Amino acid sequence: AQSVTQLDSHVSVSEGTPVLLRCNYSSSYSPSLFWYVQHPNKGLQLLLKYTSAATLVKGINGFEAEFKKSETSFHLTKPSAHMSDAAEYFCVVGRGGGADGLTFGKGTHLIIQP
Amino acid sequence: GAVVSQHPSRVICKSGTSVKIECRSLDFQATTMFWYRQFPKQSLMLMATSNEGSKATYEQGVEKDKFLINHASLTLSTLTVTSAHPEDSSFYICSANGHTSYEQYFGPGTRLTVT
Repeated sequence: AQSVTQLDSHVSVSEGTPVLLRCNYSSSYSPSLFWYVQHPNKGLQLLLKYTSAATLVKGINGFEAEFKKSETSFHLTKPSAHMSDAAEYFCVVGRGGGADGLTFGKGTHLIIQP
Repeated sequence: GAVVSQHPSRVICKSGTSVKIECRSLDFQATTMFWYRQFPKQSLMLMATSNEGSKATYEQGVEKDKFLINHASLTLSTLTVTSAHPEDSSFYICSANGHTSYEQYFGPGTRLTVT
């Protein structure tokens, strides 16, 4: 069994300040972990993924996440927020092989203040 | 590469009718395709997993007779919502993965409205 908890339903930051979106997971298997972004009326876009290689994962648009097994966390960060980052972000866990359906967190709505 | 399309993008149907949604992998062969449902302002919930040429595996609580899934080829899976009711109105999203990647590639989604 696997589950994902996104600790904040909404996060609001000012443009140019750091972003932190928190995610904790549980899994009976060696997990694969992902962050996806969903802009209004658009499809899901993969930001980054962890699949048992380096624990610090760099993704697109300046985002990165660190896999911490001891804390069962996979928080998403970005040093400087941009207005275009405003969207819904989903932390997702899958079984290591990738052949199974994914389990999505409830999502975090990121708001960027000008 | 790795593009997944869905058709239609939006559909409105009357209560009691059936509607079919197509999911295609455009530039790769998908060994497995997945169907998700997303309610407004909520997360995605996995409905079923389909492998080409075999019966779909449904998640607990998903009615297999209501949501018919066919995965007839390595590039096409269809979801048919039978005898649709207003509570079936939702955003349906498919994804696909190939042989060599842990990543699932998502389609743009289909918004179903049942009146």
